[in-house]
Amino acid sequence: AQKVTQAQTEISVVEKEDVTLDCVYETRDTTYYLFWYKQPPSGELVFLIRRNSFDEQNEISGRYSWNFQKSTSSFNFTITASQVVDSAVYFCALLSGGSNYKLTFGKGTLLTVNP
Amino acid sequence: DTAVSQTPKYLVTQMGNDKSIKCEQNLGHDTMYWYKQDSKKFLKIMFSYNNKELIINETVPNRFSPKSPDKAHLNLHINSLELGDSAVYFCASSQVIGRGGTEAFFGQGTRLTVV
Repeated sequence: AQKVTQAQTEISVVEKEDVTLDCVYETRDTTYYLFWYKQPPSGELVFLIRRNSFDEQNEISGRYSWNFQKSTSSFNFTITASQVVDSAVYFCALLSGGSNYKLTFGKGTLLTVNP
Repeated sequence: DTAVSQTPKYLVTQMGNDKSIKCEQNLGHDTMYWYKQDSKKFLKIMFSYNNKELIINETVPNRFSPKSPDKAHLNLHINSLELGDSAVYFCASSQVIGRGGTEAFFGQGTRLTVV
């Protein structure tokens, strides 16, 4: 069975603060992929990043960075110098070799960035 | 060009009616999904198809019947609509593990309201 846990239901920060969204996953497969998606108030689901189980290298894209640690089964997402436009629900998701056709989502974290 | 398009965007209907949501992807993906997002934003997989073949049916009531005429289309028909069916329904597509990028791309969602 595979599972994704996003323990933070809601986070509220003030603009320019850094914020980290936590994601912990469970899978018995050795091959798997992790993802982050953003759902802004307009409702669409926007793909942000994919990470595979063989690549623990952290990634930075502008103000976004991701920390993948297999030892703790975590794939955390940090937004540096947050902006109001970052306000959204963020989902972590898992696709594993044993459940190749089932993308499992966490329950999401609602991030509110206040001016 | 829209990668994954679903229609309609909004659907308001009375209890007991039958309705359909259409989905098309032009990404050449082999796998397509239907997800249901409830009022708490939880994304739950309903169905997964690979090359027109049903792979996953996540204990969805049989009032919901997906149909995939070809691998670029996955439609969802719902019979005898109930109040509890009110939700946002997302169509998505992806490649499977081993066939390239595995991230799922989502349609804009269909907000179904049953009154």
